Amino acid sequence: DAGVIQSPRHEVTEMGQEVTLRCKPISGHNSLFWYRQTMMRGLELLIYFNNNVPIDDSGMPEDRFSAKMPNASFSTLKIQPSEPRDSAVYFCASSPEGTSVYEQYFGPGTRLTVT
Amino acid sequence: AQTVTQSQPEMSVQEAETVTLSCTYDTSESDYYLFWYKQPPSRQMILVIRQEAYKQQNATENRFSVNFQKAAKSFSLKISDSQLGDAAMYFCAYRSSPSYGKLTFGQGTILTVHP
Repeated sequence: DAGVIQSPRHEVTEMGQEVTLRCKPISGHNSLFWYRQTMMRGLELLIYFNNNVPIDDSGMPEDRFSAKMPNASFSTLKIQPSEPRDSAVYFCASSPEGTSVYEQYFGPGTRLTVT
Repeated sequence: AQTVTQSQPEMSVQEAETVTLSCTYDTSESDYYLFWYKQPPSRQMILVIRQEAYKQQNATENRFSVNFQKAAKSFSLKISDSQLGDAAMYFCAYRSSPSYGKLTFGQGTILTVHP
């Protein structure tokens, strides 16, 4: 399997622009997670989907952030409008929930820089 | 809410020696899972080892083993015969019972391996 795929790997944008991060989970995994990593806050969960349904979005910082999972093989995280404080590495992870395997498998991350 | 604490921001070890990374957590739950993830400079999050709270036996994966002390809420990682490739940031992570997939991470420990 190709693992969790994220695109783009790097994104540089100007404040106020819309940013869309993409994720393709491992085939057969029914849970998907978006995490954000910053120096100040470490790794924190933004949102968690199970069977394409958002289960917990309490970590989404504010209304500028939105996430969708239209099908089992694709998810997006959108920031509109972007701000410099959104600069971070965004990870997508997937997991085969409901089985005996509970590990989350992470993608390579997207490094976002907002100037 | 659960919290995970890694009290060692940085650790160093000589190649071929043994090093132990500390992790404590706070929870009122009895059923949970604990993980150690490795993040090398490539920033890819790699699962090192996992421990189910209901298991008394400490998990082992080749050169990596844990010392799980449930009563003390402690979960340390021991790396034996350290190799240069072990140099990375190590994160301890907590996950509640199987019904909820969120990972709560510690702040991380940077491990340096000296040749």
